[in-house]
Amino acid sequence: AQSVTQLGSHVSVSEGALVLLRCNYSSSVPPYLFWYVQYPNQGLQLLLKYTTGATLVKGINGFEAEFKKSETSFHLTKPSAHMSDAAEYFCAVGKGGGADGLTFGKGTHLIIQP
Amino acid sequence: KAGVTQTPRYLIKTRGQQVTLSCSPISGHRSVSWYQQTPGQGLQFLFEYFSETQRNKGNFPGRFSGRQFSNSRSEMNVSTLELGDSALYLCASSLEGGNTIYFGEGSWLTVV
Repeated sequence: AQSVTQLGSHVSVSEGALVLLRCNYSSSVPPYLFWYVQYPNQGLQLLLKYTTGATLVKGINGFEAEFKKSETSFHLTKPSAHMSDAAEYFCAVGKGGGADGLTFGKGTHLIIQP
Repeated sequence: KAGVTQTPRYLIKTRGQQVTLSCSPISGHRSVSWYQQTPGQGLQFLFEYFSETQRNKGNFPGRFSGRQFSNSRSEMNVSTLELGDSALYLCASSLEGGNTIYFGEGSWLTVV
């Protein structure tokens, strides 16, 4: 069975500050890990993914995440927050492909303070 | 190229009715999966289809069903609607063997 835990349902940072959204997972097989962003009244947009290889993954909009197997973590970071980053962020784990479906965390609402 | 397209975007139904939602995947994608998103339960996997066959199913009652057509378009149906079925229903598509799932904008269902 797979599961995802996102620490903090709400995270507030100042514009220009570091963004850190935490994600821990459990998986019985080598995981495929994803971060998605959801803006109000929209679907999910893929930010980045880890499948195999390099553990530091760069995504869109300046976001990156590092896969740490020993810590079963896949935290999302961005060096400098922008007002447009305010959204809901979801971490997800899969076994690869779409066949088994993704297991999502509960989401973290990112608030950017001016 | 066009993304995942879902119709209708918004709809309101009455308890006991049934509803059908439609999804057109990205061109060339043969895998289509469906998710339900609610404030209480978050995002939950409903089922996945490939080549007109359901390959996996989440933990939902039999009132939730789906199908896929030969052109990879998919529909999901919910019968005997309950208030708790009010949710955003998201469709996603991916390549066979692909490890990236692309989501549509979703269909907002309100049951009154």
